[in-house]
Order: sequence, then structure tokens, then C-alpha cells
Amino acid sequence: NAGVTQTPKFRVLKTGQSMTLLCAQDMNHEYMYWYRQDPGMGLRLIHYSVGEGTTAKGEVPDGYNVSRLKKQNFLLGLESAAPSQTSVYFCASKDFGSGSRNTGELFFGEGSRLTVL
Amino acid sequence: SQKIEQNSEALNIQEGKTATLTCNYTNYSPAYLQWYRQDPGRGPVFLLLIRENEKEKRKERLKVTFDTTLKQSLFHITASQPADSATYLCAPWARGSTLGRLYFGRGTQLTVWP
Repeated sequence: NAGVTQTPKFRVLKTGQSMTLLCAQDMNHEYMYWYRQDPGMGLRLIHYSVGEGTTAKGEVPDGYNVSRLKKQNFLLGLESAAPSQTSVYFCASKDFGSGSRNTGELFFGEGSRLTVL
Repeated sequence: SQKIEQNSEALNIQEGKTATLTCNYTNYSPAYLQWYRQDPGRGPVFLLLIRENEKEKRKERLKVTFDTTLKQSLFHITASQPADSATYLCAPWARGSTLGRLYFGRGTQLTVWP
């Protein structure tokens, strides 16, 4: 299994350009997440989804949009990139699962490194 | 608002010693708490989950405690090795957050030197 795959892995944008980051998971997970990670700031939740066709805001949603048209894919869009959006973006997925054996483990992708000039 | 604090950004210890990392949280009551490991340039990897009704959880050289009164979790690595060098993240899962929202602490960077 590939797990969680993010594309692209690296991207350089100019201020004002738009782009979409793609996250794909092959584990049939219900939940998917987008985080950004900056030095000294840890992982900050941008948006998340609890199922196909649903999305919700995290703690730093401004400047980003997301879509979950298919269960296995979660797209993160930047409509007008700004230098403040230079970061490493991580996608993660989680099974809904309940019960004592469920660890709620998040499976992360390898990250997408975005630089906005 | 919910707040998660992990002790000092960096912790340096000698091989063979026990590393102890702290995770404190305020303004909510997590039903359980997760710990992750992150290596440079990689995504975080799940290590352990501890539930609010569990005082302690062990996995090989790892031990996690969860004190809901102190609002604190301690993460111990015994007989530490240079290969344990990484950043460790805690993630308290807020009660009622079965709908998905999960926040992380900033992490503690552990370096184990020979």
C-alpha cells in the first residue's frame, strides 16, 4: 500500500499565483487533514474533512480552500499565494473506527514543500 | 482557547539515559492523548495512544503517563539510543472531537549523543 501520497513534493510560486496540492490515500479512511508546519510553530491544522463531500476549518484556514469530492482525495488550494504561505504542508488521514482497539492513529504523507517568492 | 505546551524545544541526553518529555494542555479535557515521532524531512509517525482512564502505557522502551488532574502527559524513552534522536509531538484528542479536529504541540527535539 502506498498509504498517503502528496503531490507535488516541491513547488516554487510567485506571489499571487494559484496552485493546488493533492493528497491521495488508499486506506479507505473517512477523515483527512491538511496541516502546515513552520519552524518553531509545530503542526497547525488548516482544514479537515470527516467524509466525502464535507470539509471544515481548522485553526489557520485563511487563504486556503479545500475540496473532498472523492473519499480518497483531499485537495488544498491557494487562490492567491502569499510569502506567508511558504511552509511545509502535510496531509494525513485517519480511520473513523471506534472501540477500545482504535488508536485514532493519523497516517501522514511525506510533505509538500512550498516556497512563495 | 485550547493550548498545548511541550517542554523546551530541545533536549540533549547521553546514550543509555532515560529521556523524559512533557506535554501540558489547558482549557480542555482530552479523552485520550497521542504521541508521534518526526524525523527531519519526514511526516510524523504514530507511536502510542493513552486514554484518560489509563495511568500508564508501555511499548518496548517507551512509557507514557497521563495525569488528567495535572493536565499533563509524560513520555519516557529508557535506555536511549542515538537512533531515538528525533522530534516528538503530543496530540491531546479533545473530548467530543470524534468529528475529527486534532491539534498538536510544537514538539520537543531530542538528541541522544554517544
